[in-house]
Amino acid sequence: GAVVSQHPSWVICKSGTSVKIECRSLDFQATTMFWYRQFPKQSLMLMATSNEGSKATYEQGVEKDKFLINHASLTLSTLTVTSAHPEDSSFYICSARDLYRGISDTQYFGPGTRLTVL
Amino acid sequence: AQKITQTQPGMFVQEKEAVTLDCTYDTSDPSYGLFWYKQPSSGEMIFLIYQGSYDQQNATEGRYSLNFQKARKSANLVISASQLGDSAMYFCAMGEGLSGSARQLTFGSGTQLTVLP
Repeated sequence: GAVVSQHPSWVICKSGTSVKIECRSLDFQATTMFWYRQFPKQSLMLMATSNEGSKATYEQGVEKDKFLINHASLTLSTLTVTSAHPEDSSFYICSARDLYRGISDTQYFGPGTRLTVL
Repeated sequence: AQKITQTQPGMFVQEKEAVTLDCTYDTSDPSYGLFWYKQPSSGEMIFLIYQGSYDQQNATEGRYSLNFQKARKSANLVISASQLGDSAMYFCAMGEGLSGSARQLTFGSGTQLTVLP
């Protein structure tokens, strides 16, 4: 149980285009999903917290107009990188918290999306 | 101040031996949770083990155990009987606040573990 999928697993796009990344919890309901960014050989940096049916909460320094997050249902959250530039190239990982696992509230991670902006 | 500190950027261990990965944390919140994740070269983050700040006993999950020393604010991961497949990056993470409050996680810088045949 507690499987999270991400799509696409990798994407290459031209500078100036927008890219949408989907994060789905496959076998559980997730009221809260998190979006992280990871540069090579570095740790995960939280970008935003996404709650179903409400606006995402962004971390300091993360442009909410550039990284649009939508959490439309208990199993789906999307991250759209708008007008992507080469500096947005990174590994983006989502995680989801199981609504019914209130004791440990472990976050379960998707496999990640590697974005390369040319 | 760093909330999560992993002082070992890289570690080597012989196959079938045990290895300890260090993690210290800093928080003033009495309620928190500590997590260990494994990230193979493929990139996915695999949850390994959890320890709550009020848990009286050290957490164990198969070959993984967490050496929780609350007074020293350390939460070291012990992997017993290392296997070649254990070679990966290991991250320690902490979520502050009460369990069930959708705690955000702060990650350490990670330890790259290499298991030698």
